[in-house]
Amino acid sequence: NAGVMQNPRHLVRRRGQEARLRCSPMKGHSHVYWYRQLPEEGLKFMVYLQKENIIDESGMPKERFSAEFPKEGPSILRIQQVVRGDSAAYFCASSPSGRTQIYGYTFGSGTRLTVV
Amino acid sequence: AQKITQTQPGMFVQEKEAVTLDCTYDTSDPSYGLFWYKQPSSGEMIFLIYQGSYDQQNATEGRYSLNFQKARKSANLVISASQLGDSAMYFCAMREADQTGANNLFFGTGTRLTVIP
Repeated sequence: NAGVMQNPRHLVRRRGQEARLRCSPMKGHSHVYWYRQLPEEGLKFMVYLQKENIIDESGMPKERFSAEFPKEGPSILRIQQVVRGDSAAYFCASSPSGRTQIYGYTFGSGTRLTVV
Repeated sequence: AQKITQTQPGMFVQEKEAVTLDCTYDTSDPSYGLFWYKQPSSGEMIFLIYQGSYDQQNATEGRYSLNFQKARKSANLVISASQLGDSAMYFCAMREADQTGANNLFFGTGTRLTVIP
């Protein structure tokens, strides 16, 4: 019973390139959350998705960042034209349901993005 | 105002001793959940313990217990019999059951715990 799977674990991109981060939720989980952790800081919420729907993207930067969770396949966080300030750890979490489920928030191991 | 406040950037504890990591929170939602996560140097986020706002008793999980004082809005983590492997960053987090259904977690800035042999 695999947990939340994120890949790659480490990603290096040059400034201006695109970064694609993938997250496969736990089996049976249909809610996915993306968080960003800047160095020496706590995690900050970015976006909350269900299959084929973005529920809340209030934490996403307005430009260059996008997220999707298609009917089939993993959730993707895409960062276009990366800049040095995008260097961070990006965590994905999943849960079996939304509002009625307070408990049961499982994080993946994160993707560490380094922009050079 | 900060949703979660962790006022201790770093803490030291002697091996086998107990340590308390502080966390205060701010919410007007009557229904919420409080979490503690451990982040070792390898970077992953490890769930430790959960406390629901309506839970009557303090949560416990092995050597971890949560000192929940609702009136003070505090949710301190107590680690008993510290081990060298407990050295890590510890994050307190809160999830509000708001009306929009966007149940994101708010994290504090963390406390770095170092266990001294």
